[in-house]
Amino acid sequence: KAGVTQTPRYLIKTRGQQVTLSCSPISGHRSVSWYQQTPGQGLQFLFEYFSETQRNKGNFPGRFSGRQFSNSRSEMNVSTLELGDSALYLCASSDSRQGSYGYTFGSGTRLTVV
Amino acid sequence: DAKTTQPPSMDCAEGRAANLPCNHSTISGNEYVYWYRQIHSQGPQYIIHGLKNNETNEMASLIITEDRKSSTLILPHATLRDTAVYYCIVRGYSGSARQLTFGSGTQLTVLP
Repeated sequence: KAGVTQTPRYLIKTRGQQVTLSCSPISGHRSVSWYQQTPGQGLQFLFEYFSETQRNKGNFPGRFSGRQFSNSRSEMNVSTLELGDSALYLCASSDSRQGSYGYTFGSGTRLTVV
Repeated sequence: DAKTTQPPSMDCAEGRAANLPCNHSTISGNEYVYWYRQIHSQGPQYIIHGLKNNETNEMASLIITEDRKSSTLILPHATLRDTAVYYCIVRGYSGSARQLTFGSGTQLTVLP
């Protein structure tokens, strides 16, 4: 069974630009969550999508947005990039059943804003 | 979600059992205890989870105290590849509780 695939693996952007990251969940998983990891703040929840609907959102500014497609693939977008957005962005998928095995994470996209 | 407390770091000799403690004294009845680990610069990896009974899988064992206020993750025969940050997470299944709230975790270093 293929794992969670995130593309691209590395990205360098300039301050003020926008960026789109992609995540393909495990086949059959309908829930996709996004997390940001920085040395200072650790792993922080961004948002979760289930069946194309945002089900939950973390405490991040509106520059961070996402969407999920009918095939469960998800994208997250960050507009007007700031230096502080440099981070490892992780996507996780789940089959969302209660008591399930939890989330399977991808390897992440490392975004550097210069 | 309930808050968890873990020691910031632990060492373990290769081949010995690694016992990682976690305190979750404010856990509620419908919240599960999850353990994940993160090897440097990779995505977190699911290890095990439980509600109130002890659990075992091919990776580890999870011992949850009877009052559910603390738990211990046991890696029975630690190897160098088990060096990672281990996160203990308490999580429910409704509304905003679906997300995983990561703390600082425990940096486990397995020594040769």
